[in-house]
Amino acid sequence: DTEVTQTPKHLVMGMTNKKSLKCEQHMGHRAMYWYKQKAKKPPELMFVYSYEKLSINESVPSRFSPECPNSSLLNLHLHALQPEDSALYLCASSRRTSGSISTGEQYFGPGTRLTVT
Amino acid sequence: ELKVEQNPLFLSMQEGKNYTIYCNYSTTSDRLYWYRQDPGKSLESLFVLLSNGAVKQEGRLMASLDTKARLSTLHITAAVHDLSATYFCAVDILRTGNQFYFGTGTSLTVIP
Repeated sequence: DTEVTQTPKHLVMGMTNKKSLKCEQHMGHRAMYWYKQKAKKPPELMFVYSYEKLSINESVPSRFSPECPNSSLLNLHLHALQPEDSALYLCASSRRTSGSISTGEQYFGPGTRLTVT
Repeated sequence: ELKVEQNPLFLSMQEGKNYTIYCNYSTTSDRLYWYRQDPGKSLESLFVLLSNGAVKQEGRLMASLDTKARLSTLHITAAVHDLSATYFCAVDILRTGNQFYFGTGTSLTVIP
């Protein structure tokens, strides 16, 4: 199984709503990532979890709150978003095994298309 | 700050022609990746290049890596319409963990 799944596929939310994005992988990967991608731009890294611990936060506003409940699951909690937060949100995972070399390849999920009204 | 630049940003080419996309990066990198993205879709991994001189081929696409020149190329041979997509290169640097730095992207359109 080389699949990363994300739900929902589409989400429309108002600026006062609270919602969550979910990402799941069953490849045994111990690194998971959240990216934001605007149209015709490269993905921008938001957060990195390594062994279920937050290792990188790229100065993301606090209205985005990540959570890694276990090694297979990654959530992104959304609250009080702005219209400029509308984008494609991509989750990815990669192998991180201490003491060995992995290719570092990241596997991407299909994304959640978020629209903030 | 690490910079990853691709050129061209936009490429329109006729079916059957050959072309090369270039990916330059500004600091020593251990590994380089090529991804394809169709409109509104996610990123699909094409190639993983792990060492200087690495060359990989899949169908009409061939990728190479020159770590001394800090340059990777993605060569398209006899383009077909199905290759129309946006192509991203990405580098990671082991000392920063597995953090990817994406290139600017090349939007490829193959015209019948």
